[in-house]
Order: sequence, then C-alpha cells, then structure tokens
Amino acid sequence: DQQVKQNSPSLSVQEGRISILNCDYTNSMFDYFLWYKKYPAEGPTFLISISSIKDKNEDGRFTVFLNKSAKHLSLHIVPSQPGDSAVYFCAASAPNFGNEKLTFGTGTRLTIIP
Amino acid sequence: DTAVSQTPKYLVTQMGNDKSIKCEQNLGHDTMYWYKQDSKKFLKIMFSYNNKELIINETVPNRFSPKSPDKAHLNLHINSLELGDSAVYFCASSQEPGTGRDYGYTFGSGTRLTVV
Repeated sequence: DQQVKQNSPSLSVQEGRISILNCDYTNSMFDYFLWYKKYPAEGPTFLISISSIKDKNEDGRFTVFLNKSAKHLSLHIVPSQPGDSAVYFCAASAPNFGNEKLTFGTGTRLTIIP
Repeated sequence: DTAVSQTPKYLVTQMGNDKSIKCEQNLGHDTMYWYKQDSKKFLKIMFSYNNKELIINETVPNRFSPKSPDKAHLNLHINSLELGDSAVYFCASSQEPGTGRDYGYTFGSGTRLTVV
C-alpha cells in the first residue's frame, strides 16, 4: 500500500535549466508534505516543506507546489546546479495525536548535466 | 560535530547472529526514529520514541527491539538475523513528534546491514 508515489525513478536536466520533480499521494488525511535530498552514503537531508493550507512554498532556488484536488505535489529547482545531483524523496504526514510519522516515496534520482 | 550519528556504518554478519546498531543525537531533540530502507528503496518507519517512551511500533518482527536509555540515544538490537533483514537502517530525530512534519527530521548517515 504505497501512499506516496514518485513515478519517475530518474531525471536528467541541463545545468541552469529548471528541474521539476513530481510526487503523488493517495491518503487525503496527509496535511504536511516534505522534500528530502540524499547523497550516496549519507542520510536524507530536509529541503523544504508545505502544509495543506498553502499551495506554494519557496526557499531560494527551491519551490514546492501543492495541488490538493489532484493529490499531487512538485518540487521546482531553478536554476539547477551540479550539486543538485542527488536522490530526492517526497514525504507526507497525517495528524495522529502525537504519533505522527513521515511516509516516504521511493525517490527520484536527479542528474544535472554540466 | 555530527548531529545524528550511527555506528557502525557497515555491518556484515551471518544469519542467526544477534547485532546492535547505536544512534546518538546532540540536537537536544525529544523524539527519535528508526527507518529501514529496503532493496526497493522504500524508506519505512520502524519505531519512534519520544523522551524515552515508545510511541510508534510499525508491525516490526519482535526480533527487533529498540532501546532508549535516554532521550539522546536510541539503539536497535536485532536477534536471529535473517537474509531479509539486509537493508540500510537510518536513525533520525525531531524536536517533538509533531515538529518533524513541518521542519523535517534530521537523519543519520545510515547503517548498511548485510546478512549472509
């Protein structure tokens, strides 16, 4: 029962262009969504989050868009840089009286081509 | 000055053995987690502790026993290891259970367990 899905296992983008990573979810109780970045042999690093009361959140080169009706979110990276090459995980959380957890997708490997 | 540190980084062991993975965080967080990343790259929660108390136990075989001696440490002991236990195990922490939803968890660098 995969509640968070990242259907593109990999994506290649030219340096300087926009990278768009997509994520779909099925659980309508999710009210927080997060993006993590992971380099090989390291743990995931938190990038940006959005709550379900917003449809956009921006932090520097990173913007997350949320479309609740479509149960879809995306991460935009502009402009893409070589250091952005990593695996990106989408995660989501539902309220649960202090027992909240993050449910992750399987990740998208982003490669930035110099 | 690692925020969440796990040891060992790599662990190769035979089936049937018992092993432990240690995790420590120096962030002053109250909540710690164990996640497992399997061969299909799913990152799935196993356990969560808040201030030394177990708050999430996600249908994990009872061969896995977490122990939290204090809120800065969460260790994972695995008995009678099986081939299917081979995975990368990540420890993580957050200020409180709810804050991880907004500010994210801080993850350790993982322990790659290989059972042969």
